[in-house]
Amino acid sequence: QLQLQESGPGLVKPSETLSLTCTVSGGSISRSTYNWGWIRQPPGKGLDWIGSIHYSGTTYYNPSLKSRVTISIDTSKNQFSVKLSSVTAADTAVYYCARHIYGSAVTADQWGPGTLVTVSS
Amino acid sequence: DIQMTQSPSTLSASLGDRVTITCRASQSISSWLAWYQQKPGKAPKLLIQKASSLESGVPSRFSGSGSGTEFTLTISSLQTDDFATYYCQQYNDYSPVNFGGGTKVEIK
Repeated sequence: QLQLQESGPGLVKPSETLSLTCTVSGGSISRSTYNWGWIRQPPGKGLDWIGSIHYSGTTYYNPSLKSRVTISIDTSKNQFSVKLSSVTAADTAVYYCARHIYGSAVTADQWGPGTLVTVSS
Repeated sequence: DIQMTQSPSTLSASLGDRVTITCRASQSISSWLAWYQQKPGKAPKLLIQKASSLESGVPSRFSGSGSGTEFTLTISSLQTDDFATYYCQQYNDYSPVNFGGGTKVEIK
């Protein structure tokens, strides 16, 4: 059974870079049919797609975040990661990693439990 | 950019009620629409993709319909486990906001 688990700092200072890693177990991220991505949810608010990556390295980003986001993949560790630079309080959210459905870089059918990242000095 | 408008934002209903949630796209997205259910403190769960295709394991009381710009999620007979927040999401393109604002289904 596929499982995803986010890891990384729960507190990031304003203007610094948020970095999170998703470890996938129970399946290989090198399967060509899937993209792997990140979605976030500010406390009490709705969902916000950040971006995704294929194991080949092809990336897809939300245009509103594109200038600050980098998603990478490490197939040897079965992990993928997100970096979000120049964070502000508006980036405080629960960050989810996810597997996207076949043919989509946006719609996710398997999710990690999420990790809360707070941006504060 | 495509905008997604979900209504209502909150819905109060009783057990056994038929419930309908609407999602409208600002331009045609064909059938590239998904529905999710989210419970407090949990990750969203994909219920339906491609507007009407039910995910494996999702109860048959859930159904989706629509194409183009107007879509609906219907729960035919509301159960206790269905009280949650529901989101639509378009995946026709990579617009900045591709999720609807959510519909919270509460107990009446």
